[in-house]
Amino acid sequence: EIVLTQSPGTLSLSPGERATLSCRASQSVSSNYLAWYQQKPGQAPRLLIYSASSRATGIPDRFSGSGSGTDFTLTISRLEPEDFAVYYCQQYGNSPRTFGQGTKVEIK
Amino acid sequence: EVQLLESGGGLVQPGGSLRLSCAASGFIFGTYAMSWVRQAPGKGLEWVSTFSGSGGSTYYADSVKGRFTISRDNSENTLYLQMNNLRVEDTAIYYCAKIPQWDFWGGYEDYWGQGTLVTVSS
Repeated sequence: EIVLTQSPGTLSLSPGERATLSCRASQSVSSNYLAWYQQKPGQAPRLLIYSASSRATGIPDRFSGSGSGTDFTLTISRLEPEDFAVYYCQQYGNSPRTFGQGTKVEIK
Repeated sequence: EVQLLESGGGLVQPGGSLRLSCAASGFIFGTYAMSWVRQAPGKGLEWVSTFSGSGGSTYYADSVKGRFTISRDNSENTLYLQMNNLRVEDTAIYYCAKIPQWDFWGGYEDYWGQGTLVTVSS
């Protein structure tokens, strides 16, 4: 099983600042099949990024994904008030598909 | 518009059973693989099971293998999860999610329902 470790656990930033979230895999993710999801309290997860760097439909271009192999990054270029949430990475190239433990982006 | 509506959650005693349903609309249901993903209270996401469109292959997390059964009725646009021999640690919100392709392999979850809460407690 591939273990995904996200860092930091919590990121305290102000609106307008840049957020950089890390996701590290215990072994190489097949075909860079790595997704990022956003989840707000009481809501279902929302797909942001798939295949490490492709934005999902309707996702603003301030969200970008990068990385390959075992190291992946989600960047939010300028935080908007609605971006404060928990973010999860997921690998879907190997079974079982696994999620990271999440990074909470909170208002500083 | 893709819509996924889960139902069937509730309170059940350890060792009991529940069947969850997910009614899908807004897309050609039989064309896509579908998953169940759960989230224990205050915790992260855990993939549970996927029903692939191609050949009806099913996949399970080790934590539920042998106790849970995923199935689908393409004529009714509905996904199911039969949960038997439930344990306290199965307590979670269960989300139904669509995969944007026929196959399990290389498919991520692109649309999610709002979830249904399953509580296993005596």
